[in-house]
Amino acid sequence: GQNIDQPTEMTATEGAIVQINCTYQTSGFNGLFWYQQHAGEAPTFLSYNVLDGLEEKGRFSSFLSRSKGYSYLLLKELQMKDSASYLCAVVDSNYQLIWGAGTKLIIKP
Amino acid sequence: DVKVTQSSRYLVKRTGEKVFLECVQDMDHENMFWYRQDPGLGLRLIYFSYDVKMKEKGDIPEGYSVSREKKERFSLILESASTNQTSMYLCASSVLAVSGANVLTFGAGSRLTVL
Repeated sequence: GQNIDQPTEMTATEGAIVQINCTYQTSGFNGLFWYQQHAGEAPTFLSYNVLDGLEEKGRFSSFLSRSKGYSYLLLKELQMKDSASYLCAVVDSNYQLIWGAGTKLIIKP
Repeated sequence: DVKVTQSSRYLVKRTGEKVFLECVQDMDHENMFWYRQDPGLGLRLIYFSYDVKMKEKGDIPEGYSVSREKKERFSLILESASTNQTSMYLCASSVLAVSGANVLTFGAGSRLTVL
């Protein structure tokens, strides 16, 4: 079967750095997405990786290793507004999205 | 600002009732999707549509149907609501792109409680 694993919950301190991991086992691979979802709101697009390596966008970076079936989202200089759930999703060989259950990130002052 | 609008944020229905969840997008997107989101589970695809009057089953279509009479509107229908359909329902849209990089724009969700 197809499987996406990410931690259920993480806690970090304002101003610090946090890394949210995502491992996947899917039938084929055509890219990996990260979305952010604040409580009670719509998920919003953060990043898309299809090639190995690190992509940086301001305070947020996303890394992919296709050979290891692994990605992470790195958040720097954490702010209280970063408290949200972070959803990892993989595009499989049929161009269908397989979603992880999401990681709830709690930021403490 | 591009938008996907779900008409009802919160609904409470009784078992056996027919339920309509409406979704409208203003981005002229070809693709539209209905997902349900439950605690501890990833988003699960119920139905999707690549064009007007066209629909495809997703992973969990049982107990649901959909309608897409106009490009901008995609409706999810629960013919006879049951308690196990209590969930958050998310509508999304995207441009037609046969590639992996098909970014979804989501609505804010409709939280349905079936008593």
